[in-house]
Amino acid sequence: GAGVSQTPSNKVTEKGKYVELRCDPISGHTALYWYRQSLGQGPEFLIYFQGTGAADDSGLPNDRFFAVRPEGSVSTLKIQRTERGDSAVYLCASSPTRLAEGDTQYFGPGTRLTVL
Amino acid sequence: AQTVTQSQPEMSVQEAETVTLSCTYDTSENNYYLFWYKQPPSRQMILVIRQEAYKQQNATENRFSVNFQKAAKSFSLKISDSQLGDTAMYFCAFMAANQGGKLIFGQGTELSVKP
Repeated sequence: GAGVSQTPSNKVTEKGKYVELRCDPISGHTALYWYRQSLGQGPEFLIYFQGTGAADDSGLPNDRFFAVRPEGSVSTLKIQRTERGDSAVYLCASSPTRLAEGDTQYFGPGTRLTVL
Repeated sequence: AQTVTQSQPEMSVQEAETVTLSCTYDTSENNYYLFWYKQPPSRQMILVIRQEAYKQQNATENRFSVNFQKAAKSFSLKISDSQLGDTAMYFCAFMAANQGGKLIFGQGTELSVKP
């Protein structure tokens, strides 16, 4: 079956604009994760969904960042009033079981966001 | 809070040789999981190998093996018979057993395999 997909692959926007990044997890995976990877760094956790609900959003940097997963499959990461410091690759991952801990996470190719 | 440290920003190895990438971590948890992920220029993270902390036996996957030293909080990756396709960024990652699957990554090691 298909892996995790993310759209768009690249997004260029201007400071102050609103952006949405989409993630399609592997079919049937209940857990979904968002990470942010700045240039030359390892990914940093943003938020984790178990089904439709955000189980842990402790990594969201501020209230400009929000994510949803209304039907328990596709997720959208939303960034309001973008800043140049938001420029990064945004990675999505999914894992198969409801328990999630210890599961292997399968990553998408990421969306490279550039804020001018 | 847990931290993961990879002290080698860059490594290089000749094709067919063996290379070891280092990783140390800090945690007060007793139950956790450790992972090595590979990230080629395509950006897609690919799992290389995983280790459960409660297992004493070191994990192996074909040419990849780990040296897990729980007391020292060390988790190194050994790549044997290196191939050109192994060229990539390698990330060590930690997952506590009670935190819902959140991964904490190190800064990465850029590995170049030279012909």
